[in-house]
Amino acid sequence: QKEVEQDPGPLSVPEGAIVSLNCTYSNSAFQYFMWYRQYSRKGPELLMYTYSSGNKEDGRFTAQVDKSSKYISLFIRDSQPSDSATYLCAMSGSSNTGKLIFGQGTTLQVKP
Amino acid sequence: EADIYQTPRYLVIGTGKKITLECSQTMGHDKMYWYQQDPGMELHLIHYSYGVNSTEKGDLSSESTVSRIRTEHFPLTLESARPSHTSQYLCASREDRLTDTQYFGPGTRLTVL
Repeated sequence: QKEVEQDPGPLSVPEGAIVSLNCTYSNSAFQYFMWYRQYSRKGPELLMYTYSSGNKEDGRFTAQVDKSSKYISLFIRDSQPSDSATYLCAMSGSSNTGKLIFGQGTTLQVKP
Repeated sequence: EADIYQTPRYLVIGTGKKITLECSQTMGHDKMYWYQQDPGMELHLIHYSYGVNSTEKGDLSSESTVSRIRTEHFPLTLESARPSHTSQYLCASREDRLTDTQYFGPGTRLTVL
């Protein structure tokens, strides 16, 4: 069983839709949670970072962490065609090692 | 925006050749990482370094080797490339604060014929 599970999609939505991306994990030691966005043939870029449980908002993006359910989410409001990319969740339990465990990535397409 | 560079961006090479993938960062980060990513699959850590003269193997077994002679430079070498090495290789570095955020380079897409 993988430590981090993420629905690979693809997910196709119309422009302006609210998008929900999710990951589940099995390791209760994870404390640091990230979402990366990866455009085709590019490296991942950090989108959101959250420590422990709670919500974090940045513009149209909201990250949620529910440690009791071992479940994290990324919400995108008013989605735009430029949001079309692969979204990767990542997490770790130790700030010392910096070793991240990644989900498989969800491919999102926002249609104009 | 992170200043981390990888060269070449694309490489097509024949079986048996020795190759070195370059990774450099100008942020002074001590911790650096190499990941392998196949299409539709998660990133797998293959090597990491905590600083100069420090290198460790990652979670995914790899026939590649790395070196860290300078803080800013973390090259990856394959002594004898094989078709099974065809993949995307991503280099990353990390701020040395209480956060695990890593900054990624653009990647090298390697094809071994």
